[in-house]
Amino acid sequence: EVQLVESGGGLVQPGRSLRLSCAASGFTFDDYAMHWVRQVPGKGLEWVSRLSWNSYNIGYADSVKGRFTISRDNAKSSLYLQMNSLRAEDTAFYYCVKDKGSESKYQFDYWGQGVLVTVSS
Amino acid sequence: DIQMTQSPSSLSASVGDRVTITCRASQYISNYLNWYQHKPGKAPELLIYAASSLQSGVSSRFSGSGSGTDFTLTFSSLQPEDFATYYCQQSYDTPATFGQGTKVEIK
Repeated sequence: EVQLVESGGGLVQPGRSLRLSCAASGFTFDDYAMHWVRQVPGKGLEWVSRLSWNSYNIGYADSVKGRFTISRDNAKSSLYLQMNSLRAEDTAFYYCVKDKGSESKYQFDYWGQGVLVTVSS
Repeated sequence: DIQMTQSPSSLSASVGDRVTITCRASQYISNYLNWYQHKPGKAPELLIYAASSLQSGVSSRFSGSGSGTDFTLTFSSLQPEDFATYYCQQSYDTPATFGQGTKVEIK
């Protein structure tokens, strides 16, 4: 069974940093691209970042470019999102998401339960 | 960015009803269109990918159609477990973008 378990969320002040982690199991992690997608509570879904299976192909939404960094450790079957210079508008549930392909097809076939990040003073 | 517009934003229906949700892209996206179901407090679930391909393990009462800019998700016979919010998403271009969602509620 595919499982994606996010951790690292919480309350953080504007301008500070936070690192999200995602532990993957139930599939061959290093065969697939991975993504982060977020959802402001009560609002729609927003794609945040992608990372190919070998970490060569990286992409970010304009809203987070230059502030967020996606990475992965295939040996640990883990995905990360380093979030710096956080803003109130980054407040959202963050989902770790598996792609159907090794490069980014943007077909999101498995999602974690999500972790809440709240940016507030 | 490609804008995705779903209609309606919400609907009320009864168990057993045939229901259709539509999704329109702001530009041509071929068949690069996916549909997701999201229940409160749960992980979203992929239902349909490439406009009409049923994701493994998903009930065949869900079907998708369309190409170009206009797409539909159809429930052949609505079941109690289908009450949720549904999102379309284009995978034609970066960034991937989602519709605003359609909330399906019990009548």
